[in-house]
Amino acid sequence: AQSVAQPEDQVNVAEGNPLTVKCTYSVSGNPYLFWYVQYPNRGLQFLLKYITGDNLVKGSYGFEAEFNKSQTSFHLKKPSALVSDSALYFCAVRDTTSGTYKYIFGTGTRLKVLA
Amino acid sequence: SAVISQKPSRDICQRGTSLTIQCQVDSQVTMMFWYRQQPGQSLTLIATANQGSEATYESGFVIDKFPISRPNLTFSTLTVSNMSPEDSSIYLCSVEGQGGEQYFGPGTRLTVT
Repeated sequence: AQSVAQPEDQVNVAEGNPLTVKCTYSVSGNPYLFWYVQYPNRGLQFLLKYITGDNLVKGSYGFEAEFNKSQTSFHLKKPSALVSDSALYFCAVRDTTSGTYKYIFGTGTRLKVLA
Repeated sequence: SAVISQKPSRDICQRGTSLTIQCQVDSQVTMMFWYRQQPGQSLTLIATANQGSEATYESGFVIDKFPISRPNLTFSTLTVSNMSPEDSSIYLCSVEGQGGEQYFGPGTRLTVT
């Protein structure tokens, strides 16, 4: 079964510091991996994805993520955090085995950027 | 990207009643998805709705409780039937973009009293 894990419920970082939000995955076959962000009282917004190609993918709002096949990880990163980055972040994997195009979401990590 | 709207944005309903949530997309899409999310928690897929066929429900969700309509390629509805307080949640619809990513509506916050 395909799954993603976000080991941290919350990450605190000072404004201007680099941030990392962790995600590990378990899939059969090639992974389709995604990051989404949810600001308070709003729907989810797509940030970035990895399907194939370069292991470092860049996305919206200055975020990037590194795909590491040997460690089965897809950590979200940003070189310099902003207070406005404070939100709930979800890692997701697309199920490519069942034929249903089903997405599996992690439990979410709350990022708090402190001024 | 796709722009998705949902109605209503929130509602407070009495137990035993039903609520129909509408989802409108600004472009034609094959598949639409309905999720449930407790505030601050992860998303749980309820069903996948293809135009012209019956929706496919995930384990733990049944058509009698969550009937879905998909009359055309830009619209879908989810009905939460015979509601109980346990149905209080945020309901989200989404569509898949050309690159495999999903785009979500703003959600419907449902409170059942």
